[in-house]
Amino acid sequence: DQQVKQNSPSLSVQEGRISILNCDYTNSMFDYFLWYKKYPAEGPTFLISISSIKDKNEDGRFTVFLNKSAKHLSLHIVPSQPGDSAVYFCGRGNAGGTSYGKLTFGQGTILTVHP
Amino acid sequence: NAGVTQTPKFQVLKTGQSMTLQCAQDMNHNSMYWYRQDPGMGLRLIYYSASEGTTDKGEVPNGYNVSRLNKREFSLRLESAAPSQTSVYFCASTILAGAGEQFFGPGTRLTVL
Repeated sequence: DQQVKQNSPSLSVQEGRISILNCDYTNSMFDYFLWYKKYPAEGPTFLISISSIKDKNEDGRFTVFLNKSAKHLSLHIVPSQPGDSAVYFCGRGNAGGTSYGKLTFGQGTILTVHP
Repeated sequence: NAGVTQTPKFQVLKTGQSMTLQCAQDMNHNSMYWYRQDPGMGLRLIYYSASEGTTDKGEVPNGYNVSRLNKREFSLRLESAAPSQTSVYFCASTILAGAGEQFFGPGTRLTVL
């Protein structure tokens, strides 16, 4: 079972505040995780990734946290900006096993950042 | 460097018609993918090609066929379109399967009447 779930369809935050997007996954050993951002009428673009052997990865305003015991992934955006308003997908990739090379995505969360 | 390109951008078909969605990448990537995006369903993998000469089914392959024409090009064919195939289709590529991020094209919006 390679499920990835984003249980919040939408999130609304004020400009300058923190946005926290969440993702849950089922158990597997040989995975890495990614976050993608998608604007309307465009393809998804890569934001940040994390290996399953790490707990945290930062890139500017974006930080991804991996809680392996809870099988939970989160993306923190600080400070949030109106340009961050988009759909965010978490994805899970397999570095080994029968699903090698495949990405499985969650349903997406629509983030709206209000000025 | 155009990245991943897809044609056409929009298409309307009648039930039973066939068509081919084209995808090309100029990044010398080995692996290429086709996804569909439906509301509330996220991105679902249709087919992928880990390397030139190989193709494999993804999560939702029924009703589709693919051809890895060469290293650059990966096409998706609908032999007999159905309304359930109304969706936005994305092609993606990566340097090596399992290596990390995939680069996506701009998408093809397909409507089947």
